[in-house]
Amino acid sequence: NAGVMQNPRHLVRRRGQEARLRCSPMKGHSHVYWYRQLPEEGLKFMVYLQKENIIDESGMPKERFSAEFPKEGPSILRIQQVVRGDSAAYFCASSPSGEGNTEAFFGQGTRLTVV
Amino acid sequence: AQSVSQHNHHVILSEAASLELGCNYSYGGTVNLFWYVQYPGQHLQLLLKYFSGDPLVKGIKGFEAEFIKSKFSFNLRKPSVQWSDTAEYFCAVNPYSGGYQKVTFGTGTKLQVIP
Repeated sequence: NAGVMQNPRHLVRRRGQEARLRCSPMKGHSHVYWYRQLPEEGLKFMVYLQKENIIDESGMPKERFSAEFPKEGPSILRIQQVVRGDSAAYFCASSPSGEGNTEAFFGQGTRLTVV
Repeated sequence: AQSVSQHNHHVILSEAASLELGCNYSYGGTVNLFWYVQYPGQHLQLLLKYFSGDPLVKGIKGFEAEFIKSKFSFNLRKPSVQWSDTAEYFCAVNPYSGGYQKVTFGTGTKLQVIP
């Protein structure tokens, strides 16, 4: 019973490069959430997706960041032209529904370092 | 906008000491409440949750939390901590009517238990 799988666990990128973070939800889960954790801060919501749809991207920076959850394959969080301030831990969570009384299950996170 | 405050950023206890971690939130309506734990290098795991009913909630590993609506608080407790409880603990709040994407996390409390 695999949990939420994120890869890579650690990612180092030079300024200006692209970062691609992958998240495979738990089996049977069609709702995916991405969070960012900056040093010394709590997790901040970024985007909520269902298969092939972005439901809520109110937490996403307006530029350089995008997310998708295709019909087949993992959810991808893409950061173009990374800057030092993008260095953070990025967590993905999945849930079986989008109902209010829902618990989401988290992956181990991807720690992005921009050098 | 809702917010979550965790008063203690870093707590150091000896084994067998009692633990209480504070969590207060600001939101006027009905809420769902969560405590998560993150062991070093691992993903967030749910310790316990409150959706409705008995305000004293029992979780895994001997943890419990009490929801006090009048104080907007959801403090985490454990009568006797162990070295293996060394981790970071996050309180989270979700408006009852919202999906999980509305969850707001506190900044976390790092607990260090000394053998």
